Amino acid sequence: GIQVEQSPPDLILQEGANSTLRCNFSDSVNNLQWFHQNPWGQLINLFYIPSGTKQNGRLSATTVATERYSLLYISSSQTTDSGVYFCAVPQTGGFKTIFGAGTRLFVKA
Amino acid sequence: EAGVAQSPRYKIIEKRQSVAFWCNPISGHATLYWYQQILGQGPKLLIQFQNNGVVDDSQLPKDRFSAERLKGVDSTLKIQPAKLEDSAVYLCASSLSTGVPYEQYFGPGTRLTVT
Repeated sequence: GIQVEQSPPDLILQEGANSTLRCNFSDSVNNLQWFHQNPWGQLINLFYIPSGTKQNGRLSATTVATERYSLLYISSSQTTDSGVYFCAVPQTGGFKTIFGAGTRLFVKA
Repeated sequence: EAGVAQSPRYKIIEKRQSVAFWCNPISGHATLYWYQQILGQGPKLLIQFQNNGVVDDSQLPKDRFSAERLKGVDSTLKIQPAKLEDSAVYLCASSLSTGVPYEQYFGPGTRLTVT
């Protein structure tokens, strides 16, 4: 089945810094979602981005489907950005969603 | 628009006991998902419903887990009997359709501790 790899696994930032999170996938996909899981465990939709670039405030995402990767950019990080960021893609040839292991982000004040 | 609702939020049981979780999806969403998230890992799909039919349950431990969505709206997930390794957060999600594109929305989860 499709493999999803996220990097880095852990990231510590000083408030105000920028960062890039990466999601690599082993097969072609027709959709991709980025989620933020806050410290209370709630999974929050960030982007639905099968291809191209989208921006929402300080966050933006780019998916290059032909090269099988997606990037999540966080600019001017804030302490509330702390948590785990997941990317998720559909299983090859099916509907099951496969999540990466996540990037754990801690933003220091 | 109301989000995905789940209850209870927390549950502590002893091994070999049974437990049930409830989920009410976003109104109008045909597809409902149950995920298991073990601490430090990404969510793993247990079962996916399209209306009241099962689309995928390949990772559901059917000897102890069961799920139903009888009227195509809310759903229950049951574990009987529970094992220590079932300690996890159980997440429910919903989407408009199984077809592409679909965007999943998650509930707050139920944190289960099996002692």
